[in-house]
Amino acid sequence: QSVVTQPPSASGTPGQWVTISCSGDKSNIGTNTVNWYQQLPGTTPKLLIYSNDQRPSGVPDRFSASKSGTSASLAISGLQSEDEAEYYCAAWDDRLTGPVFGGGTKLTVL
Amino acid sequence: QITLKESGPTLVKATQNLTLTCTFSGFSLSTSDGGVGWIRQPPGKALEWLAAIYWDDSERYSPSLRSRLTITKDTPRNKVVLTMSNMAPVDTATYFCIHDPGFGWFDPWGQGTLVTVSS
Repeated sequence: QSVVTQPPSASGTPGQWVTISCSGDKSNIGTNTVNWYQQLPGTTPKLLIYSNDQRPSGVPDRFSASKSGTSASLAISGLQSEDEAEYYCAAWDDRLTGPVFGGGTKLTVL
Repeated sequence: QITLKESGPTLVKATQNLTLTCTFSGFSLSTSDGGVGWIRQPPGKALEWLAAIYWDDSERYSPSLRSRLTITKDTPRNKVVLTMSNMAPVDTATYFCIHDPGFGWFDPWGQGTLVTVSS
């Protein structure tokens, strides 16, 4: 059981706007920045968002993220079929002295 | 361009030790270029951070696995080695080598190597 929790699944239709939540506590998200990773089926995880809301070069601006208190969320606008993937949030945990990952959210594009 | 590649056995027996090597390019562990770490993912399950080693020789380990893990670096050869002792079937997973810039995120990741532990 991860100390950072995500809904196991999410879905949307093409063109829709969807959000994925990530909930932690004061030892992780409440104190440290949140990063998001995208894992397309059968591939290696890729950094999608860093430092709460920053996009690496090459990541479409359809992807955005935010953090408030001990929670964070990833938003995808104009959903596309190629966005179907597993999404993980992660943050440093001061109590565990290491990074912790959420359990992942499988996004299905209907 | 930073690249990382994992190598090691694909099958180990329970109670044996696992040794994985990460060979990387595009950065050096002799300068303040962050570090190299390991993350694993059991089949169909979530990611789990294991350990990391940095340019200044500092090491970090997952508290839950600390007693079983050792991470070392060969700076001139751009290699990082992870050793995990007393392997068990629950350790079956894809093991990823990652570049840790030292700011909390991991980018990029190696392609991963699937390690199966037989009983």
